[in-house]
Formats: sequence, structure tokens, C-alpha cells
Amino acid sequence: SQTIHQWPATLVQPVGSPLSLECTVEGTSNPNLYWYRQAAGRGLQLLFYSVGIGQISSEVPQNLSASRPQDRQFILSSKKLLLSDSGFYLCACVRDGYNEQFFGPGTRLTVL
Amino acid sequence: AQTVTQSQPEMSVQEAETVTLSCTYDTSESNYYLFWYKQPPSRQMILVIRQEAYKQQNATENRFSVNFQKAAKSFSLKISDSQLGDTAMYFCAFMKQLSSNTGKLIFGQGTTLQVKP
Repeated sequence: SQTIHQWPATLVQPVGSPLSLECTVEGTSNPNLYWYRQAAGRGLQLLFYSVGIGQISSEVPQNLSASRPQDRQFILSSKKLLLSDSGFYLCACVRDGYNEQFFGPGTRLTVL
Repeated sequence: AQTVTQSQPEMSVQEAETVTLSCTYDTSESNYYLFWYKQPPSRQMILVIRQEAYKQQNATENRFSVNFQKAAKSFSLKISDSQLGDTAMYFCAFMKQLSSNTGKLIFGQGTTLQVKP
């Protein structure tokens, strides 16, 4: 079965600083991978998805970017964080053989 | 574009009783999937139940069942014999079924459910 790791679990960063959030997946190969952001008490917004190495699709224009340097690694980045980037970031993959998504534990980002 | 609407921001239920969470969606697709996810205070997203649109039979998973009304584009979740551990935020989600399925999920805004002892 798949396992998703997200690092770090919690992050506090000043406005204007860079960002790198990492997601790694175990137990599957060539997964579809997703980055979601969840504002406090709100639903999930899809930010990026990837169907393979180097293939990134952006769902909303924003201050963030994503990269997939390896099959089971998905990275969310920013060159300069904004206050509005604060939130809970979730990585997900499509479960092998199923049309459903399996989520990682998330990263809580606070931009001050 | 697809949309998912959960009209109940908050609900509460007494332990051991039954509660129903509502969800409606809008799509022009004929084949798709619907899901209910649970997000407890730990914020881990947990799949509760899924429904394939081509199946007429409503999905069930132990104490959880759905009422899927395709024509009405309604997908409600019923929780029977509610337990304290069911306290969480519940999200309804939609996924298109495509030949090259990208697997993108569209989420509703969520319903916070509190189970009271």
C-alpha cells in the first residue's frame, strides 16, 4: 500500500523568504501527484498536479511553483512568500488500481 | 466546470444517533466518481466512502452509507450509530472519469460535525 511522507510538518517563515515543501511517496510507481492548499476552516484547493517526471500542471495563478524531479518526489516552492500563502498544504496521490486519492499528513505553513 | 456544494457548515448529533450530511454537485459529465472524506482534528484526510456514478446501488461502509440521486445531482452521507470519533470535518468531492484520468478532485467547502456524548 502507498505511504506519503511530507516534510516539514510545521513551518513558520517570514514574508519574502523562500519556501520548499517536499512530498515523497512509497509503495507505488508512476503515481499521479497533487498539491492542495487548505485555508483555516475551509475546503481544499488544488494547486498543482503531475502525471509524470517533469510534468506539472498549474490550476491557479499564484506565487507558488511545483516540480517533480523524481518519479515519487513532488516539491512545492516559492521564491518569496506572501502572507496569503499561509495554510495547510496537502500532498496526495492516486491509489494504485483505484480512482481515489490518498493523502499525506500535511504541512502547516505560517507566514509572518 | 464542476462545482460541489455543502450547504451545512456545522452540524451536531448525539452519540449513537444518526446524522445525514448533504452534498450537491453540478456537472455535465455522465461518468464520474463521488467521495466523502473525513478530516479529524489531526487534519489527516481519510477516505470514508466512494460512489461510481454508473452504479445505481448506494455505497455502504459499515456505519456509513450514501444516498446517491444522480438525476438530482445529490450525494448525501448518512452516519449511523454516531461515535465520538466521528467528530471531524467532512468533505464531499467529485472526480471526472476520463480516458486519460488526471484524477483531479473538486471539493466542497466542508461540514463540521460534532458528536456529543
